Amino acid sequence: NAGVMQNPRHLVRRRGQEARLRCSPMKGHSHVYWYRQLPEEGLKFMVYLQKENIIDESGMPKERFSAEFPKEGPSILRIQQVVRGDSAAYFCASSRTARNGYTFGSGTRLTIV
Amino acid sequence: GEDVEQSLFLSVREGDSSVINCTYTDSSSTYLYWYKQEPGAGLQLLTYIFSNMDMKQDQRLTVLLNKKDKHLSLRIADTQTGDSAIYFCAESPTAYNNNDMRFGAGTRLTVKP
Repeated sequence: NAGVMQNPRHLVRRRGQEARLRCSPMKGHSHVYWYRQLPEEGLKFMVYLQKENIIDESGMPKERFSAEFPKEGPSILRIQQVVRGDSAAYFCASSRTARNGYTFGSGTRLTIV
Repeated sequence: GEDVEQSLFLSVREGDSSVINCTYTDSSSTYLYWYKQEPGAGLQLLTYIFSNMDMKQDQRLTVLLNKKDKHLSLRIADTQTGDSAIYFCAESPTAYNNNDMRFGAGTRLTVKP
């Protein structure tokens, strides 16, 4: 499968725990984007990374959220001390360059109990 | 408020035409997109239109753009049960930065046999 792979598909965490969401971009894609979708809302841009660098994190909350895209391995979106409001679908997309269209992953549905 | 607005639900009978509407507020929007999300899957780019066009046709899909009213529509002719999905409208002011893209909340299309 050469698509954008996200895992896990579903993640349940208790309040105060940490959530780690993974995204493996398509082969040959070095640009990764994370979006969050709250119920009945559109996708909201969170962060844009290009191999080892954060290019734009203007959509990411300043507290508790971080993202990385190491030289080897998937991109990770990390949410510390999760709260109920973090429950959402988190989508990753990748592209070959900043100007090409996206390819999206299937998303991770995060539920905080 | 939302930069891109869509109605949340649409139901049609198989064989009828579906029209999904979208309004946006950014007058500098240059590129407008329609994405399709099938259950459990990521978003797939269906089609896009440049702001200097008013119509684009691609097989059963017709995109209409009214730039004056900032209104975009997607018409699906001869709608099939396989067209049941969530359709997202998105706009971007530039072709240069994927992270500038803004999405609507999505319209859930249900096709009844």
